[in-house]
Order: sequence, then C-alpha cells, then structure tokens
Amino acid sequence: EAGVTQSPTHLIKTRGQQATLRCSPISGHTSVYWYQQALGLGLQFLLWYDEGEERNRGNFPPRFSGRQFPNYSSELNVNALELEDSALYLCASSLTLTSGSDEQYFGPGTRLTVT
Amino acid sequence: QKEVEQDPGPLSVPEGAIVSLNCTYSNSAFQYFMWYRQYSRKGPELLMYTYSSGNKEDGRFTAQVDKSSKYISLFIRDSQPSDSATYLCAITDNTGNQFYFGTGTSLTVIP
Repeated sequence: EAGVTQSPTHLIKTRGQQATLRCSPISGHTSVYWYQQALGLGLQFLLWYDEGEERNRGNFPPRFSGRQFPNYSSELNVNALELEDSALYLCASSLTLTSGSDEQYFGPGTRLTVT
Repeated sequence: QKEVEQDPGPLSVPEGAIVSLNCTYSNSAFQYFMWYRQYSRKGPELLMYTYSSGNKEDGRFTAQVDKSSKYISLFIRDSQPSDSATYLCAITDNTGNQFYFGTGTSLTVIP
C-alpha cells in the first residue's frame, strides 16, 4: 500500500513569492493535515481538511491557505513568503474522524527554503 | 502552559541500554496518545498508538500512559544504533480536531 506522498521534495523561493505544496493521502483516507516543522519549534499544526472542507486551522496568518480536492489530495499555498517560512512542511492523512480519533500517517515532507 | 511538554534531550546511550522517553500533558480531556519516530530528513512514522492507561507492548517498544499524572512514556529495550532518531509524542482528544506534538527527543544509540 502506498503511503502519503508529497511534492516537491525541495522548494527554493525568494521572499515575497508564493509557494504551492502538494500532498496525496493514503488510499481510503479522507482527512489531510498540514504541519510546519521549523528548526527548534517542533511540529506546528497548520490546517486540517476532511471531505473537501477546511475543518480547523492552527495559529498561522491567512497567507497560509489550502484546499482539498475531490480525490482527497491537498494543496498548501503560502503567499508573500517570508524568511521565517523556511521549514519542513509535513502532510499527514487519516481516516475520516467519526466517533473517535485515528492515527495520522506522515509523508516525507517538502523542505521549503526562502531566501 | 503548552499542551504537551517533552524533554528535547539530546539523549545518548550505549547499544543494548533501556531507553526511557517521556512527555507530560496538561489537559485531562486528551485520550489518545501516540509516539512517532523521525529519522533525519524524513517525515515522522507512527510507532505506537494507545488510548487507555497502562502499558502497550510491541516488540522492543512499550508505551505507558498514566492519565492520573498526565504522563506518557516510551520505553525501548535492547536499544540498537538503528533506533537513533528523534522521537515525538502526540496527543489528541476524542474529537481529534487537533493533534498536539511534543518538540521531540533526539536519541543516539552508540554501538
């Protein structure tokens, strides 16, 4: 069974540009989560999509946005990039949350470098 | 107060040692507890998942939850150099609306 995939592996942008990161969940998973892992800060929750809807977002400015497509893949967009946006961006997927919680499975991440 | 606190280490042990990794959490509503292992430049992989107090064992790994103390632990027996990685604890409540992660503990097992 294929795991969570993310693209691109690495992305280099300059300050002020926009970045688009992509994620494909495990087959059968309908929930997609996005996290930012910056050096020394641990995993910070960004966004949660389920069944095409944004269900929750973390404490990040509106220039971090995304969407989930009908096939449950997802896209994270970061506008007006700032130097501190440089981080590893991780996508995770899980089954749809119904009466409880399900494990999240992570992709390998996209390393975004803003110069 | 952060939802989850984890000692960042780093932790360095000789091969064969028993490793103890710990996290504390603040909200008694949290019910689901996970441990992830993250190798350098890789995404986290799920190691252990539990939702009740007590111990859960899987091979050389044992996850322990003490809800009364809001304390979770991961024990690694007979540690191997291949166990060298960062270990993250994660917790969520029964809605699963948001997962909270510890900052991770860096472990090095020396041959």
